[in-house]
Amino acid sequence: DAGVTQSPTHLIKTRGQQVTLRCSPKSGHDTVSWYQQALGQGPQFIFQYYEEEERQRGNFPDRFSGHQFPNYSSELNVNALLLGDSALYLCASQGGVGNQPQHFGDGTRLSIL
Amino acid sequence: DAKTTQPTSMDCAEGRAANLPCNHSTISGNEYVYWYRQIHSQGPQYIIHGLKNNETNEMASLIITEDRKSSTLILPHATLRDTAVYYCIVRVAGGGGFKTIFGAGTRLFVKA
Repeated sequence: DAGVTQSPTHLIKTRGQQVTLRCSPKSGHDTVSWYQQALGQGPQFIFQYYEEEERQRGNFPDRFSGHQFPNYSSELNVNALLLGDSALYLCASQGGVGNQPQHFGDGTRLSIL
Repeated sequence: DAKTTQPTSMDCAEGRAANLPCNHSTISGNEYVYWYRQIHSQGPQYIIHGLKNNETNEMASLIITEDRKSSTLILPHATLRDTAVYYCIVRVAGGGGFKTIFGAGTRLFVKA
């Protein structure tokens, strides 16, 4: 039973470029959340998708957008990359939006030059 | 801002119990307490969660005070592999989705 998988594992971009990160949820899970984790800090909530709609959003600019597909997989898009966007991007999935715990992938390490 | 406060770091001797405290004094009646840990370069790993009763699983025990304003995660026999950052989170379930707000967590060092 595969857990949450994210791709790619590492990515290097330059300022001003755009990036797309991908997430496949754990089998049976239909809710996906994205987080940004800067070095030495806890994960910061970006947004959550359920039934292909953005249900909740954290304090991130519109440069951060997402999508959820009918198979529950999800993409995180970041436009006009800034140096400060360098971070580990984590995807978490769970079944529904109730009290079941989220399960995390190992993230995509994004470096901006 | 995170709704929980945790000590920045703690030490524990290998084989002893590690008791990690968490304060969540503003917790609402329908918010659950979740614990995760994160080992360097990996994603957070779910440990345990609860509402008001104490909980135990194969990894740990969760003790929630009667007023629910604080909790303690107990690793009964800590090993070197338990060295990690431990996050305590409170979260409400609901049809409109939820936000999970992480604090800085507690860095646990298990020493031989």
